[in-house]
Amino acid sequence: GDSVTQMEGPVTLSEEAFLTINCTYTATGYPSLFWYVQYPGEGLQLLLKATKADDKGSNKGFEATYRKETTSFHLEKGSVQVSDSAVYFCALSSFMDMGRRALTFGSGTRLQVQP
Amino acid sequence: NAGVTQTPKFRVLKTGQSMTLLCAQDMNHEYMYWYRQDPGMGLRLIHYSVGEGTTAKGEVPDGYNVSRLKKQNFLLGLESAAPSQTSVYFCASSLAGMRQPQHFGDGTRLSIL
Repeated sequence: GDSVTQMEGPVTLSEEAFLTINCTYTATGYPSLFWYVQYPGEGLQLLLKATKADDKGSNKGFEATYRKETTSFHLEKGSVQVSDSAVYFCALSSFMDMGRRALTFGSGTRLQVQP
Repeated sequence: NAGVTQTPKFRVLKTGQSMTLLCAQDMNHEYMYWYRQDPGMGLRLIHYSVGEGTTAKGEVPDGYNVSRLKKQNFLLGLESAAPSQTSVYFCASSLAGMRQPQHFGDGTRLSIL
């Protein structure tokens, strides 16, 4: 079945450092790919998405490019802030039985940004 | 802008008790989902619904039942709670279509003693 693998956390960075969170996937067909962010005590929020190969999703300074050849969707940000501290989830849109779809999530990567 | 609302936010149950978690969305979304979130395991799909009156099993459906009697509501039931069902439960909704993102509620933290 479909699966998503994320780098283990926590990732601890100083403010203004460069961020990369690795995400690779296994899927049949051509899934859409997503990054979600979860702040403490809250639900998941969509951060960015890409729906086909070579698409780049971007939002709030975060970027990720859909790389079909390497089955990857790594999240990057050039300069992190303390407010970026959260758990980040990579996900892909999978087809369940009878052609219906749902999200398959990675295990999440906790980011801690220190002032 | 309510979005997806889950009730209750917290609940403690004893083993064997039953309860129902309620999810309501005001975005007229066709699809609704229930996930559970456990440490180190991301989110796992319990059940989902692609429209009023239809439900289907996800990855971890055992011990749960669901109902979608109205388009805006999706109920998750635990008939006989077990300690293994201690988790944070998230409801989500989306428009139909593979490219559509899901919108999440703030979660229900459930402890089974």
